[in-house]
Amino acid sequence: DAMVIQNPRYQVTQFGKPVTLSCSQTLNHNVMYWYQQKSSQAPKLLFHYYDKDFNNEADTPDNFQSRRPNTSFCFLDIRSPGLGDAAMYLCATSGLAGVGGTDTQYFGPGTRLTVL
Amino acid sequence: EDQVTQSPEALRLQEGESSSLNCSYTVSGLRGLFWYRQDPGKGPEFLFTLYSAGEEKEKERLKATLTKKESFLHITAPKPEDSATYLCAVHPKGSNDYKLSFGAGTTVTVRA
Repeated sequence: DAMVIQNPRYQVTQFGKPVTLSCSQTLNHNVMYWYQQKSSQAPKLLFHYYDKDFNNEADTPDNFQSRRPNTSFCFLDIRSPGLGDAAMYLCATSGLAGVGGTDTQYFGPGTRLTVL
Repeated sequence: EDQVTQSPEALRLQEGESSSLNCSYTVSGLRGLFWYRQDPGKGPEFLFTLYSAGEEKEKERLKATLTKKESFLHITAPKPEDSATYLCAVHPKGSNDYKLSFGAGTTVTVRA
């Protein structure tokens, strides 16, 4: 089955210790997204890639970076995690929206990040 | 500013007790409205996309409807396995091509 895969499902890191979360997809979608979701809140978009074109949200902290080496993989790097970065990190993918159009975003299972 | 409001925040139902969840939105125009189901500790699972007022979609015990200002997710004769948080998301016209506006969700608990 075509899907979005995230690894690891649970990640524990120490305050200030860099961490990388990974996402892969078998849907062959052009667009990949990273969201942060805290308890009982809506997902918050951090950035997205349209193919290799990186699009950062204005309020995404500089502490968060991303890489997309190819169509299938995307990584989220948190350079110096703080306690406030503990959250669920969701990867999603979609096809092309087209001018004025839309396309469904499909989410992975998420990575729960704990910062000690 | 685009706004998406879901109500109620939480809904407790007895098995078999049908009910509706509301998603009201204030956007300059609509490209599409999405419903997702999210189980605790998991990513959102896609349910429906609605594009224009009057559109309806069904899947098992769920039915989604859309008007110009709101969408409803009707749960008919729910079962305990329908317990989850249901998220509504809107893709507004005028936004960048790929950003959705999410509501905070409605958490549904169905008791046997």
